[in-house]
Amino acid sequence: DGGITQSPKYLFRKEGQNVTLSCEQNLNHDAMYWYRQDPGQGLRLIYYSQIVNDFQKGDIAEGYSVSREKKESFPLTVTSAQKNPTAFYLCASSIVRGSWETQYFGPGTRLLVL
Amino acid sequence: GQQLNQSPQSMFIQEGEDVSMNCTSSSIFNTWLWYKQDPGEGPVLLIALYKAGELTSNGRLTAQFGTTRKDSFLNISASIPSDVGIYFCAGPGSSNTGKLIFGQGTTLQVKP
Repeated sequence: DGGITQSPKYLFRKEGQNVTLSCEQNLNHDAMYWYRQDPGQGLRLIYYSQIVNDFQKGDIAEGYSVSREKKESFPLTVTSAQKNPTAFYLCASSIVRGSWETQYFGPGTRLLVL
Repeated sequence: GQQLNQSPQSMFIQEGEDVSMNCTSSSIFNTWLWYKQDPGEGPVLLIALYKAGELTSNGRLTAQFGTTRKDSFLNISASIPSDVGIYFCAGPGSSNTGKLIFGQGTTLQVKP
């Protein structure tokens, strides 16, 4: 089955610790995205990548880092510099044919701070 | 920057009732998307609209692309408990980056 997988479903972070959220897709999509969702709020774009080995900051990139070494994978690291990391993190992917394409989302990872 | 405003922010309705929600923008959008997010899951695309005035249905859901291209509407008829969730509108960002702009969502609760 084609789709987007995110792991883990729940992740706990200690103070001062970096944690990495996994996102994998087997849809052969070019573009991948990371969003953060807080209760009662919409989706805010953290980082996005339209091609392997290239990525751009979104609206709230501070305290986060990404890599795109393979087309299928776009891991997100929440660094210790992110002071309020508790949120629901969503990964998405899309084909890039024009200026935009419909995005398909993974099931999300909920990050909690101990 | 571009923003999408959804209303209402939340709705609490009785099973069987019809639901209407809308999304407005200060700038023109050429495409409108409606997503639904079940609790604890990622959003799923419901309907995509590509032309001003377009009316598109998906089962009990009907969405319309406003004629001014600055708004869109989503209606759900005869609501059922599984309609519970957050409904997001979205549209392409102004720059040629593949980014989508999302509204803040309308939370729907259905009382059986």
